[in-house]
Amino acid sequence: EAGVVQSPRYKIIEKKQPVAFWCNPISGHNTLYWYLQNLGQGPELLIRYENEEAVDDSQLPKDRFSAERLKGVDSTLKIQPAELGDSAVYLCASSLSRGGYNEQFFGPGTRLTVL
Amino acid sequence: QQQVKQSPQSLIVQKGGISIINCAYENTAFDYFPWYQQFPGKGPALLIAIRPDVSEKKEGRFTISFNKSAKQFSLHIMDSQPGDSATYFCAASGGFKTIFGAGTRLFVKA
Repeated sequence: EAGVVQSPRYKIIEKKQPVAFWCNPISGHNTLYWYLQNLGQGPELLIRYENEEAVDDSQLPKDRFSAERLKGVDSTLKIQPAELGDSAVYLCASSLSRGGYNEQFFGPGTRLTVL
Repeated sequence: QQQVKQSPQSLIVQKGGISIINCAYENTAFDYFPWYQQFPGKGPALLIAIRPDVSEKKEGRFTISFNKSAKQFSLHIMDSQPGDSATYFCAASGGFKTIFGAGTRLFVKA
């Protein structure tokens, strides 16, 4: 069974430029998460989807970040414009059900460097 | 109230030794406590998890000890091996939220 797929794996951009990350969750997983992982820190939730609905986006900086999961399968996270402080790893995860009790499967992440 | 505090930040253990990582939480609404293992360049992967109705869970060389009254839980890795060298994250889940600790970098010396 294929795991969570993310692309690109690495991205280097100049500040103020836009950037987008793509995630394809495990087939059948209705819940999709985007996390931010700063160096030496644990993942921090940005947004959680149940199918195509964003049910928790309270930690998403909406002035510059946006996300979509149009058909309830793959998802895109966008930053526009990027700032130096956005340099981090962006992790996507998926799980089978709504609750926090089911295993979250993480992708390898996209490492973003903003110059 | 949403924090999960993890210690130590880093840990060096001899091969065959016991690795111990500790976590503490504040919010009593948390009711599921997973540990994740992350290797460089990879995403975290679930290692073992516990619910607060039991005080200990063991899977192979990995054991979680849980103290509900103290709001603390710990991961013990018995007979630590070089292949266990990774970053370990504790987490606390409840009400559809999962809060991760800051991580412990474990290095097992051969």
